Amino acid sequence: TQLLEQSPQFLSIQEGENLTVYCNSSSVFSSLQWYRQEPGEGPVLLVTVVTGGEVKKLKRLTFQFGDARKDSSLHITAAQPGDTGLYLCAGAVAQGAQKLVFGQGTRLTINP
Amino acid sequence: EPEVTQTPSHQVTQMGQEVILHCVPISNHLYFYWYRQILGQKVEFLVSFYNNEISEKSEIFDDQFSVERPDGSNFTLKIRSTKLEDSAMYFCASSDDLAKNIQYFGAGTRLSVL
Repeated sequence: TQLLEQSPQFLSIQEGENLTVYCNSSSVFSSLQWYRQEPGEGPVLLVTVVTGGEVKKLKRLTFQFGDARKDSSLHITAAQPGDTGLYLCAGAVAQGAQKLVFGQGTRLTINP
Repeated sequence: EPEVTQTPSHQVTQMGQEVILHCVPISNHLYFYWYRQILGQKVEFLVSFYNNEISEKSEIFDDQFSVERPDGSNFTLKIRSTKLEDSAMYFCASSDDLAKNIQYFGAGTRLSVL
């Protein structure tokens, strides 16, 4: 059974600070996706990383896929109140229909 | 921008009743998925569907669950006899290829079993 451990579960920081969210697993994933989920809504895709060691940037967000494709991180630079929300990582299992295995999420609060 | 559409947004039902949750995946996508999220818990995989058949299902997806693609656009999840513990958000997702397997999610249906 593939598991994806996401940390921290909760993070509250001041506007302008930097932060990093981690997702770790003992399993290899064919790709890893980061989503943001608002209350009562579905996950909205932020980025997909596919290649081991891949780094993708989305404005102030930097996503990295580990060399062994078992872990990933999301780094936010100069966080803003608009970054507040629930961030989810999800690994695509490298067999069959490639279901997604989700982490438990990081609830991020950016205080003005 | 194309999106996955789910209806209804909220379904309330009595225990033991049948419910059908509806999804319209993105039109050129070939792979379809159902996930659920019990309040406060992780999003969990239920079932994947490709080429008019189930390609994988989880332990949660027992005989009470079924999926169907009745026409070229809809993808449904049926729960035959709902239980209290079926109360959750149910998300439909679709993908156009397995190489990157980028899955796009609908807004979900909140199922409340009373």
